[in-house]
Amino acid sequence: QSVLTQPPSVSAAPGQRVTISCSGSSSNIGNNYVSWYQQLPGTAPELLIYENNKRPSGIPDRFSGSKSGTSGTLGITGLQTGDEADYYCGTWDSSLSAYVFGAGTKVTVL
Amino acid sequence: QLQLQESGPGLVRPSETLSLTCTVSGDSISTTSYYWGWVRQPPGTGLEWIGSIFYSGSPFYNPSLKSRVTISVDTSKNQFSLKVRSVTAADTTVYYCARHRNAGWFDTWGQGTLVTVSS
Repeated sequence: QSVLTQPPSVSAAPGQRVTISCSGSSSNIGNNYVSWYQQLPGTAPELLIYENNKRPSGIPDRFSGSKSGTSGTLGITGLQTGDEADYYCGTWDSSLSAYVFGAGTKVTVL
Repeated sequence: QLQLQESGPGLVRPSETLSLTCTVSGDSISTTSYYWGWVRQPPGTGLEWIGSIFYSGSPFYNPSLKSRVTISVDTSKNQFSLKVRSVTAADTTVYYCARHRNAGWFDTWGQGTLVTVSS
């Protein structure tokens, strides 16, 4: 069981907005940057967000990240069928001395 | 363009050692500020960080795997490697290598390689 808690699934219609939460503690999110990864079916994860809210080159601005206290949030606007994937949050945990990932959230476009 | 490619046996017998290599192209593995790491994913489940290493050879590991894992780097070949000793069926997963930027996020991933532990 991960120290980072994500909802198992979220869904919305095309064009709508979804948010995915990642809840942690002071030993991880509370004192370290959050990153987010998208994993399309059958492919390797891809970095979407780093340092809480920064997007790598090539990632559309439909994807956004934020952090407040011990929780991070990934937002996806203008939802597209191509956004159907598993999304993972990740951060360093100072108590565990390990990089930890959330269990993942499956996004479904209705 | 940075690319990472995992290679190694797809089948390992129980109790033996799993060995994988990640070949880096498009950048020098000796670039400062970058660590190089391994992440694994059992079929149908989430991601698990195994460990990472700086180009100078200072590895750090997930405590849950530390007793069985060794990560090393060969700057002359622009490669880094993973060894997992005493494998069991629970080590049957897809293994990814990735660039671990500032030890804070994984910004480039290999395509992954499935390793099955079975007799």
